[in-house]
Amino acid sequence: GAVVSQHPSRVICKSGTSVKIECRSLDFQATTMFWYRQFPKQSLMLMATSNEGSKATYEQGVEKDKFLINHASLTLSTLTVTSAHPEDSSFYICSARDRTGGVNSGNTIYFGEGSWLTVV
Amino acid sequence: DAKTTQPNSMESNEEEPVHLPCNHSTISGTDYIHWYRQLPSQGPEYVIHGLTSNVNNRMASLAIAEDRKSSTLILHRATLRDAAVYYCIRLLAPYEKLTFGTGTRLTIIP
Repeated sequence: GAVVSQHPSRVICKSGTSVKIECRSLDFQATTMFWYRQFPKQSLMLMATSNEGSKATYEQGVEKDKFLINHASLTLSTLTVTSAHPEDSSFYICSARDRTGGVNSGNTIYFGEGSWLTVV
Repeated sequence: DAKTTQPNSMESNEEEPVHLPCNHSTISGTDYIHWYRQLPSQGPEYVIHGLTSNVNNRMASLAIAEDRKSSTLILHRATLRDAAVYYCIRLLAPYEKLTFGTGTRLTIIP
């Protein structure tokens, strides 16, 4: 099946610094990518929808100035956690949809392996 | 709001079939039903999806009720590697974003 790759898989950063997480679709072009965060023992929470060449759409309660999303190409989206604090420590997961699928095709969305962020 | 309801947890014996239920009573006619599973410390993995008809693939089968208000994911012969959290999700057309509920934590007993 299609592959979505995230990098880094684990990152530790100091409080107050920024950290970037990359999400790549390796064998397909993704017009839309999604970013989630997941705390231990909880479900995935959708943070934002990233569309290639346009601004991301953020879910209610997600600070767009803190979680910067860039989707500059059909295979790459990045999430930058700015001025990170310990409460931002979480498992961040991206997903991508193959652009060849249509709205009513029920086309599959593929997920990356996730990135563990620890802010100390 | 994922608008699906699943049991919090289920157990099954190894090498036996597993039926994971999902209720989506408010589903609209154009919403697809997707199932994903998540192993510990990994991103979700696609399992299967369907609209109206029952679906089969190498991983599982999906049985969709005639009124589409519920569905059942069937693992025909559970293995220890099937232990995961299984999420039943409505893909809300045309918005097409996957919103996760709490899922069912499946434990496989050796």
